[in-house]
Amino acid sequence: GENVEQHPSTLSVQEGDSAVIKCTYSDSASNYFPWYKQELGKRPQLIIDIRSNVGEKKDQRIAVTLNKTAKHFSLHITETQPEDSAVYFCAARESGGSNYKLTFGKGTLLTVNP
Amino acid sequence: GAGVSQTPSNKVTEKGKYVELRCDPISGHTALYWYRQSLGQGPEFLIYFQGTGAADDSGLPNDRFFAVRPEGSVSTLKIQRTERGDSAVYLCASSQRTTGELFFGEGSRLTVL
Repeated sequence: GENVEQHPSTLSVQEGDSAVIKCTYSDSASNYFPWYKQELGKRPQLIIDIRSNVGEKKDQRIAVTLNKTAKHFSLHITETQPEDSAVYFCAARESGGSNYKLTFGKGTLLTVNP
Repeated sequence: GAGVSQTPSNKVTEKGKYVELRCDPISGHTALYWYRQSLGQGPEFLIYFQGTGAADDSGLPNDRFFAVRPEGSVSTLKIQRTERGDSAVYLCASSQRTTGELFFGEGSRLTVL
């Protein structure tokens, strides 16, 4: 089955700096890669996703890049703000049949210092 | 409803007891997932329903865990003979089959003493 590795496990930046979180996946058949943000004690919420026919996607201060050959994808947050502080999870979805199961990485705790 | 609803939000039980956790998905979502999240970890897949049937239960750790979705909407995760290692937040999510985006509930925090 799919295996997703995520780095770093913790990341501390100053407000206004950029933050980058990287993930690798093992199943070359995976074709959907979402990123979720989880604040303390809250539910994970989708912030951006990318599909395997696209190399990069941007939404305001957030961007995701995908390298299918290397089987890795990254989340980029620019002009970080204290409210960006949370745990971020990457995930990959195995394709094939009708199974939409997502496999998650272990998460990155992002702290944005004012 | 407006979002995925899970009850109870917190459950404390003793080792060996039976527990049920309920999930009410977003109306119209045919796919329903159960995940388990331990402290400092990512959500770990347990089981996935498409309609009433379990399409993939490969993540259930052992036969003490069972889930049902008899009418294709509400789902119940059942844990028999609970163990301390079962303590975690159990997350439910639903999605429309065509988009695949998962919408999570707030979770049920299970503590086994």
